[in-house]
Amino acid sequence: QAQLQESGPGLVKPSQTLSLTCTVSGGSVTSGDYYWSWIRQPPGKGLDWIGYIYNNGNTHYNPSLKGRVSISLDTSKSQFSLKLSAVSVADTAVYYCAREGYNYNGMDVWGQGTTVTVSS
Amino acid sequence: DIQMTQSPSSVSASVGDRVTITCRASQGISRWLHWYQQKPGEVPKLLIYAASTLQSGVPSSFSGSGSGTDFVLTIDNLQPEDFATYYCQQAHSFPRTFGGGTKVEIK
Repeated sequence: QAQLQESGPGLVKPSQTLSLTCTVSGGSVTSGDYYWSWIRQPPGKGLDWIGYIYNNGNTHYNPSLKGRVSISLDTSKSQFSLKLSAVSVADTAVYYCAREGYNYNGMDVWGQGTTVTVSS
Repeated sequence: DIQMTQSPSSVSASVGDRVTITCRASQGISRWLHWYQQKPGEVPKLLIYAASTLQSGVPSSFSGSGSGTDFVLTIDNLQPEDFATYYCQQAHSFPRTFGGGTKVEIK
């Protein structure tokens, strides 16, 4: 069974870049069966989809993030990464990585989530 | 973007009750609708995908229905472990969008 694990700094200063990595074990990021995704959840609020990367490097991002986001893939390390630039306090959230089935079968495996606080 | 609207935002129920949660999409999404359960401090868990298919390991007390714009999650014989927040998510198009959540609380 695949497992995902997020890693990265828990505190980021305003205007700086948030960087997180998701390590995939028990599965392969080269699989064509999944979108490798990032989702976040602000404190006390609902779920917001950030974007995904596919095994061929194709990406799709949430337009609400206004070009601040990029997701990359490192197949040699079985990892995919998130960068969010020019962060503000509004970007404080629990950040999850997840895999979404390519065949409309939902986000079935999630990382445990990592809390990122934007504060000076 | 496709907007997903859940109702109610919260519901109080007792053990053994049937609970119904609705999710409406701002445009037709065929059957591409998933349901998740999230308990406090925990990771969201996929319950139902493609509107009505139960994810492996999920109790049969959970069921989903609907297509187009209107969808329903039903929980029969509510158990203590079912008290949680439930989210719908559309998978028809990008960006993926979630409903605002429905909190099922103990009456």
